Amino acid sequence: EIVMTQSPATLSVSPGERATLSCRASQSVSSNLAWYQQKPGQAPRLLVYSTSTRATGIPARFSGSGSGTEFTLTISSLQSEDFAIYYCQQYYAWPYTFGQGTKLEIK
Amino acid sequence: EVQLVESGGGLVQPGGSLRLSCAASGFTFSSHWMSWVRQAPGKGLEWVANIKQDGSEKYYVDSVEGRFTISRDNARNSLYLQMNSLRAADTAVYYCAREWGTYWGQGTLVTVSS
Repeated sequence: EIVMTQSPATLSVSPGERATLSCRASQSVSSNLAWYQQKPGQAPRLLVYSTSTRATGIPARFSGSGSGTEFTLTISSLQSEDFAIYYCQQYYAWPYTFGQGTKLEIK
Repeated sequence: EVQLVESGGGLVQPGGSLRLSCAASGFTFSSHWMSWVRQAPGKGLEWVANIKQDGSEKYYVDSVEGRFTISRDNARNSLYLQMNSLRAADTAVYYCAREWGTYWGQGTLVTVSS
């Protein structure tokens, strides 16, 4: 099983600032990496897939990068609605696995 | 518009069974892999199972192998999860998802408790 490790566990950032979230895979997942946003009481929402492709309707302030085992989600200028939990996920090999999540909170 | 609507959750005793359903609309259901993903209260996401378009391939996470069965009815645009020998550790919100997560339902809560 591919283990996904996210860092940091919690990130405190002020609105308008940049947030950088990291995700590491225990072995290469090629570019088969997705990022999700989840707010309390809601289902996860796909933000980015194939490492860097934004899903339909996702604002340009969200960008993904990386390859192999190291990946990053960057939110360029945080809006109030961006404070949530973010998960990375590999869909390169079964069982598909998620990171433990990064909670993005208001500083 | 893609819609996935789960149903069938509820309270069940340890060792009991439950069948979850997911009604799909807004896309050609028979053309897509489908999955079940769960989230225990206050915890992260865990993939449970997925099934190929024609049902010929199915994969399960080790923790549910032999107890859960994923199936689909393409004529009814529906996905199912038969859960047997339920344990307290299976308590979670269960989400239906298209492929590896392009679209998600709102989830149905399964609580295993005596």
